[in-house]
Amino acid sequence: NAGVTQTPKFRILKIGQSMTLQCTQDMNHNYMYWYRQDPGMGLKLIYYSVGAGITDKGEVPNGYNVSRSTTEDFPLRLELAAPSQTSVYFCASSGRQSTEAFFGQGTRLTVV
Amino acid sequence: AQSVTQLGSHVSVSEGALVLLRCNYSSSVPPYLFWYVQYPNQGLQLLLKYTTGATLVKGINGFEAEFKKSETSFHLTKPSAHMSDAAEYFCAVSEGTNFGNEKLTFGTGTRLTIIP
Repeated sequence: NAGVTQTPKFRILKIGQSMTLQCTQDMNHNYMYWYRQDPGMGLKLIYYSVGAGITDKGEVPNGYNVSRSTTEDFPLRLELAAPSQTSVYFCASSGRQSTEAFFGQGTRLTVV
Repeated sequence: AQSVTQLGSHVSVSEGALVLLRCNYSSSVPPYLFWYVQYPNQGLQLLLKYTTGATLVKGINGFEAEFKKSETSFHLTKPSAHMSDAAEYFCAVSEGTNFGNEKLTFGTGTRLTIIP
């Protein structure tokens, strides 16, 4: 039972580089989310999706893009990495009427 | 708009002592309330949740929390701390729907240390 799987677990990027954080879930959940976690700040919602083909901005979307072409996958794209994007990124999913979000193990990203 | 305030970024208790982690929320609609636990280098795991009904909610690992609407609080307690409880704890609120869209607003977290 894999749940929510994120890759990679760690990544170092240079300023201006781009990358995609991968997230896949095998629970057939409609809803998926991307959060970033910074020390002392809790988790902030970046983007979310209510189903394939539908995405919307969260609290801190600047500098990121997402797509949702399938129910299972919800990749997060950083186009021009900046030091302010150094963080731990968590993907999560939830099902209709479940009221529980399941989280991946996180991706620790450092931009230098 | 919703918000969550967790009082105390660090809490230390002796093994066997009472654990009390405080959480106050603000929400313009009836909220759903959650406590998540994060062990080092791990994702978040749901401890317990309040949606509707009984205001005293029991979760995993002996934790419980009580929803007090008049105090806008959802404090987490455990009667007797265990070394394995050392972790970071997050209180979160969502808008409270029946549709499973749990956009969560998190508090800043409380790191719990257990003293042997």
